[in-house]
Amino acid sequence: SYELTQPPSVSVSPGQTARITCSADALPQQYACWYQQKPGRTPVLVIYKDSERPSGIPERFSGSSSGTTVTLTISGVQAEDEADYYCQSEHSSGTYWVFGGGTKLTVL
Amino acid sequence: EVQLVQSGAEVKKPGESLRISCKGSGYTFTTHWIAWVRQMPGKGLESIGIIYPGDSDTRYSPSFQGQVTISADKSINTAYLQWSSLKASDSAMYYCARQEPAHGRASDVWGLGTLVTVSS
Repeated sequence: SYELTQPPSVSVSPGQTARITCSADALPQQYACWYQQKPGRTPVLVIYKDSERPSGIPERFSGSSSGTTVTLTISGVQAEDEADYYCQSEHSSGTYWVFGGGTKLTVL
Repeated sequence: EVQLVQSGAEVKKPGESLRISCKGSGYTFTTHWIAWVRQMPGKGLESIGIIYPGDSDTRYSPSFQGQVTISADKSINTAYLQWSSLKASDSAMYYCARQEPAHGRASDVWGLGTLVTVSS
């Protein structure tokens, strides 16, 4: 089955840049998107179509894609960015969607 | 305002049936896929399946095929997730989310979730 692999955790100091990767196990992959989820809260879309940012999401959030890996980059990390981040993509068959396992971002 | 309003928390016994709902408002319900997502306590997000309310085209993630049923009633802008025989392992938070075509069908609007507890 289709899998998306994320690092379990990433830690950065405030003001630094956090990069969270998401690797697919098959080529080619579809567009990916990213969600932020804070404890006890509903997920929030922060990136869609690999690199597009929804309205209302700060510019410090950006996305990129290379081969079968997509990356969420948070520039100038703030304490409020501490959360779990999930990538998501659709299987190439178009029959189902998959989430990555999630990455816990800790702001030191 | 675009909203997805989910039904309230449920406490059930193993073997019981259950249907939870997700009502959309503020947008054209029939032209956006609705996704159902499970989150077990302390765990990550899992895709259960999706439904296109316009024609009830339904697709399940392999892990959930045969375990649940997704349906929709477009006359009342509501999608459903149901179980015929619950297990303790079905205890989780269940979210519905709208997939936005303009965003590559990323889920841009989420319900607040329905907490399902299955315990004897």
